[in-house]
Amino acid sequence: KNQVEQSPQSLIILEGKNCTLQCNYTVSPFSNLRWYKQDTGRGPVSLTIMTFSENTKSNGRYTATLDADTKQSSLHITASQLSDSASYICVVSPFGNAGNMLTFGGGTRLMVKP
Amino acid sequence: EAQVTQNPRYLITVTGKKLTVTCSQNMNHEYMSWYRQDPGLGLRQIYYSMNVEVTDKGDVPEGYKVSRKEKRNFPLILESPSPNQTSLYFCASSPILGSAGTDTQYFGPGTRLTVL
Repeated sequence: KNQVEQSPQSLIILEGKNCTLQCNYTVSPFSNLRWYKQDTGRGPVSLTIMTFSENTKSNGRYTATLDADTKQSSLHITASQLSDSASYICVVSPFGNAGNMLTFGGGTRLMVKP
Repeated sequence: EAQVTQNPRYLITVTGKKLTVTCSQNMNHEYMSWYRQDPGLGLRQIYYSMNVEVTDKGDVPEGYKVSRKEKRNFPLILESPSPNQTSLYFCASSPILGSAGTDTQYFGPGTRLTVL
């Protein structure tokens, strides 16, 4: 069964520090990998979308990387801000997925403290 | 403003009492989907629709129904809710073949459902 595993489950960092979140997946072959940010009690918001042929994508202070050989992705947050406190979800879409089925990771809950 | 709206945002009901959660998008998206989110399980797809009158099951369709009579609306129906359907529900939409391509998927604000 296709799986997406994220680590760590939770993380606390100080404001201004950098952090890296990990995503390992077993979906193969896959079409694209997405990172979402979800504030508590709200719907997820897209941060980055990478196809299998891309290995990095940035969105402001967020940079996602992808290694399709090892089936790993990471989300790097630079100079964290209090507003970065949220859950970050990795989502993988299988290739040739006519059904638009997305496989979601369990998320990493990030807390940024002043 | 481009958005996906859901109603109600919060609902407490009792076992067996039919309910409908509405979802509407104003972006003329063809693809719409329903998810439920439970602690420790992440988001799981319930049903999705590729276009009007085209719907299909996701990972966890049991106990749910959907309809897509108009492009903008995709209601989620629980004919006989049970306590194990207590969850946080999200509706989402995206342009054609949202997940197979690289189109952004837009999520609604969520509906927190409690079934007693």
